[in-house]
Amino acid sequence: SQKIEQNSEALNIQEGKTATLTCNYTNYSPAYLQWYRQDPGRGPVFLLLIRENEKEKRKERLKVTFDTTLKQSLFHITASQPADSATYLCALAVSGGSYIPTFGRGTSLIVHP
Amino acid sequence: EAGVTQFPSHSVIEKGQTVTLRCDPISGHDNLYWYRRVMGKEIKFLLHFVKESKQDESGMPNNRFLAERTGGTYSTLKVQPAELEDSGVYFCASSQAGAQNIQYFGAGTRLSVL
Repeated sequence: SQKIEQNSEALNIQEGKTATLTCNYTNYSPAYLQWYRQDPGRGPVFLLLIRENEKEKRKERLKVTFDTTLKQSLFHITASQPADSATYLCALAVSGGSYIPTFGRGTSLIVHP
Repeated sequence: EAGVTQFPSHSVIEKGQTVTLRCDPISGHDNLYWYRRVMGKEIKFLLHFVKESKQDESGMPNNRFLAERTGGTYSTLKVQPAELEDSGVYFCASSQAGAQNIQYFGAGTRLSVL
C-alpha cells in the first residue's frame, strides 16, 4: 500500500541552527512533492514544490531536496528562528493524477530561543 | 485579497443531527477542494470541484456527505445524519485554473459529533 512517513516525534532545535525534516514514501510514482506549514488552528500554507526531475529547490532560508531513488525528501530551514515553530507537512501528487496531494501526518518543529 | 474562508470555525452537534459547512474560495479560483483531518491521522482528500462540476469525489466517505457548489462560487458540505466518526477538522482549499498544484487552504471547521 502507498505510504508517506514523517517523523511523528517533535524536532527540538536551538535558534540559529539548521532544522532538517524528513519525508519518506513507498509505492508512489510522484509527479511532484510539496511542503506545507501548519500553525495551530490554521490551515496548511504552501511553501515549496519540487518536481520529480529536480534534485533541489531553494526559497530564502528554505531548501528542499528530492531523491526519487531513495524515495525521500529532506526539508531544511537554515538560521532557524522561534517563529519557524510549526508543523510541517509533506504531500505527494502522483503522475497521471489530478494534482490532488496526499499528505503525511506532519512533523512538529520547535525552535528554542 | 481575501483568502479562503470557512464557516463555522467550530460546530458541536449530536449524533443524528445535520450540519452544513460552508467554504468561500478565493475569488476567481475555479478549483475548490474539501479535505478532512481526523484526530491523529493525516489530512485526507474528499472532493474536488471545477467551477460547479464535481471533478473527483472519490474521497467522500459515504452517501451521508453531500457537497454542492451552485454557481461555481461558494461551496457547502452537508453531513446528514452525522455520526461520531465524522468528527474532525474539515478543510477547504482553492486553486487557480492552470495552477492546480498550488492550493490555498482555509482555517478549517472543527466538527465535534457527540
